[in-house]
Amino acid sequence: GESVGLHLPTLSVQEGDNSIINCAYSNSASDYFIWYKQESGKGPQFIIDIRSNMDKRQGQRVTVLLNKTVKHLSLQIAATQPGDSAVYFCAETGSYSGAGSYQLTFGKGTKLSVIP
Amino acid sequence: AAGVIQSPRHLIKEKRETATLKCYPIPRHDTVYWYQQGPGQDPQFLISFYEKMQSDKGSIPDRFSAQQFSDYHSELNMSSLELGDSALYFCASSAGLTDTQYFGPGTRLTVL
Repeated sequence: GESVGLHLPTLSVQEGDNSIINCAYSNSASDYFIWYKQESGKGPQFIIDIRSNMDKRQGQRVTVLLNKTVKHLSLQIAATQPGDSAVYFCAETGSYSGAGSYQLTFGKGTKLSVIP
Repeated sequence: AAGVIQSPRHLIKEKRETATLKCYPIPRHDTVYWYQQGPGQDPQFLISFYEKMQSDKGSIPDRFSAQQFSDYHSELNMSSLELGDSALYFCASSAGLTDTQYFGPGTRLTVL
């Protein structure tokens, strides 16, 4: 079946540097792609999403880039802070059929460690 | 802002016992989702409900059942528990079938 996966399982960055977390997806029909942050012992926290007809979307200190040609999604975090340390998951919604809900398909997660 | 509430946060059961997990969605959210996350794994979709009716079904074992009540809270019932059922169980809610899913803190189920 189709899946979403991540290139790098762990990423260590110096505080203040920019972080880039990558994700490869295979379902080109997905409507939305989402980034979630999961801290230890907590549930996934919504960071930002991007619709499939967009290439780039910016939030507060975060930017998501979507490259549909190579089926690649990335999350850029500017001026990374210790509080950004967590596991980051990309997820996709699949294509909405007009009935039922979205079933998120998650990637394997990348652990981001920020070095003070 | 109010978030998704799950109870209990931790649950320890023996094999073959039953467990009930509860989820209270964000106010005015009408869609509830259940996900299972094994150790070191990504969350896997189990089932969803919209307006008290089952909406979609994922990889939910036949031993599990769920429902959404008139106040929109949802319960996941798990019977004949197996060691492999040990996992984090997350509930998420959204304002509609295709809106952003917001996750609760999860229930950690340990089956001994």
